Amino acid sequence: EDQVTQSPEALRLQEGESSSLNCSYTVSGLRGLFWYRQDPGKGPEFLFTLYSAGEEKEKERLKATLTKKESFLHITAPKPEDSATYLCAVQVTPRSNTGKLIFGQGTTLQVKP
Amino acid sequence: EAGVAQSPRYKIIEKRQSVAFWCNPISGHATLYWYQQILGQGPKLLIQFQNNGVVDDSQLPKDRFSAERLKGVDSTLKIQPAKLEDSAVYLCASSLVGTEQFFGPGTRLTVL
Repeated sequence: EDQVTQSPEALRLQEGESSSLNCSYTVSGLRGLFWYRQDPGKGPEFLFTLYSAGEEKEKERLKATLTKKESFLHITAPKPEDSATYLCAVQVTPRSNTGKLIFGQGTTLQVKP
Repeated sequence: EAGVAQSPRYKIIEKRQSVAFWCNPISGHATLYWYQQILGQGPKLLIQFQNNGVVDDSQLPKDRFSAERLKGVDSTLKIQPAKLEDSAVYLCASSLVGTEQFFGPGTRLTVL
């Protein structure tokens, strides 16, 4: 069964304290791995898509990396406005071929000033 | 560019009542998804449309949930009758074929 697990469930950082969020996956075949940010009361906001092991993408203080079994979202020198829930999702290859995303449970990040 | 629109934003109903949610996707997006997000969990796909045809409804509780996408644009999701465990946020998303999905703000449903 295709599965996505995120850790930790919650993370508290001081402003400027860098850290990483983990997303491990077990899937029949990976088409793509997606990172989303979700603020309270809002829908998920797209951040990155990664397609192959070794790929990296950056946006402001965020950098996403991908291996054959997991992905990391590195947050460098975070600010309070980075506080949100970060969701990881995988899209599996052609057996379903529907574009369906399988989400992890999310990591809730709180950055204190 | 306008995003995915959903209404209502909040709905409170009694168990066994019926409820409907509406979604208007981003213009030109052929694929539309409905997800259920229970508090503290990630979204779970309920149904996926490609234009006005159903691609995947394997996790839709068909005894009480139904969805349609008329003319390949707007979509409605209905629950009848609602149960307590249906309390969740219902998210609509849209995409071009095979690309990243863009989500609406969601409808928060509370079943009492």
